[in-house]
Amino acid sequence: DVKVTQSSRYLVKRTGEKVFLECVQDMDHENMFWYRQDPGLGLRLIYFSYDVKMKEKGDIPEGYSVSREKKERFSLILESASTNQTSMYLCASSYSANGYTFGSGTRLTVV
Amino acid sequence: QQQVKQSPQSLIVQKGGISIINCAYENTAFDYFPWYQQFPGKGPALLIAIRPDVSEKKEGRFTISFNKSAKQFSLHIMDSQPGDSATYFCAASNFNKFYFGSGTKLNVKP
Repeated sequence: DVKVTQSSRYLVKRTGEKVFLECVQDMDHENMFWYRQDPGLGLRLIYFSYDVKMKEKGDIPEGYSVSREKKERFSLILESASTNQTSMYLCASSYSANGYTFGSGTRLTVV
Repeated sequence: QQQVKQSPQSLIVQKGGISIINCAYENTAFDYFPWYQQFPGKGPALLIAIRPDVSEKKEGRFTISFNKSAKQFSLHIMDSQPGDSATYFCAASNFNKFYFGSGTKLNVKP
């Protein structure tokens, strides 16, 4: 069964901390994505990557960066966490245009 | 600017009833329209999808109706069951980039 694994289900971090959210997929997918999910706003694209070492800004990249050193791993970095980054973060991967496979999400609380 | 608009935000349906969720889009370049189902504590999972060259797609109790001229598509859940209670997201994509609706929380009452 194909899988997208997010390393943490729940995280609590302090304001100003640097936060790393890790995502690993075992499907050899080229494309990987980071979304945040907030009530009433749906899923909003933060960053995406179509290849190793490649990254593109999504719709809400401010305050975030990403790293893709290996094909299977896509990391989201909060450079200096703020309370407005409290959210559910979802990683997804895809092959071509056949739809995403999502991870189970990381619920991040910044206090 | 939201690329895909979804309604209603929440929906309560009796067991056995029909659940209908609607989405509208503006970008005519979109060429793939999936629906995702999300249970609490889980990531969204692909439920059913359609391409704009057909007007309807049915998989079991789930049907997508697609109106290209109106730039609208909808999900119909026939004979709704309590196990269908979840949040549903519509999406539209072009070149591997997906845009999601704001989600509909469906509650099917027994």
